[in-house]
Amino acid sequence: AQSVTQLDSQVPVFEEAPVELRCNYSSSVSVYLFWYVQYPNQGLQLLLKYLSGSTLVKGINGFEAEFNKSQTSFHLRKPSVHISDTAEYFCAVAFYNQGGKLIFGQGTELSVKP
Amino acid sequence: DSGVTQTPKHLITATGQRVTLRCSPRSGDLSVYWYQQSLDQGLQFLIQYYNGEERAKGNILERFSAQQFPDLHSELNLSSLELGDSALYFCASSVRGDNTEAFFGQGTRLTVV
Repeated sequence: AQSVTQLDSQVPVFEEAPVELRCNYSSSVSVYLFWYVQYPNQGLQLLLKYLSGSTLVKGINGFEAEFNKSQTSFHLRKPSVHISDTAEYFCAVAFYNQGGKLIFGQGTELSVKP
Repeated sequence: DSGVTQTPKHLITATGQRVTLRCSPRSGDLSVYWYQQSLDQGLQFLIQYYNGEERAKGNILERFSAQQFPDLHSELNLSSLELGDSALYFCASSVRGDNTEAFFGQGTRLTVV
């Protein structure tokens, strides 16, 4: 079955510390991978995406993610977080040649404390 | 602002009623997607339209239906509403139908009482 698992439901971290949000997927076909951020009472904003090519992907707001095909992972990282990064983060997968639907993980709530 | 417009932002209705949620995609986008976000189910794909035709279907209940009109806006119709239908409903749009990059609207929060 095709699925996405975000390994941490909540990640508390202090300001200026590094953070990693973990995402694993299960698929028998090629995938496209995405990270979205949702601020309170807002829609989803695309942070970054992996379609093909370099496995290290850089996104907005200083975030980056690395696609690891052998471990079927797409972890999101930021070397130094800010209070404004406090939000819910969603990992999502689209499956090659299966239309446009996204399968989302359950989300990780990132809480940055001063 | 993603460029995707959803109306209304909030909707409160009673069980058994029918509601219509509206989505205007970004200018130039041919594909529209509907998602439901609830506390117990998370973000679930409901349905996709591409240039007026249904392209993919997810876990959409038979009480729910959608369509995409010639001007490319889309409507999601929810009928015989139950308490469990209370959720945030998102519309997203993309230029192509393969969702290499989808832009999400702000959502419609539906509360069924």
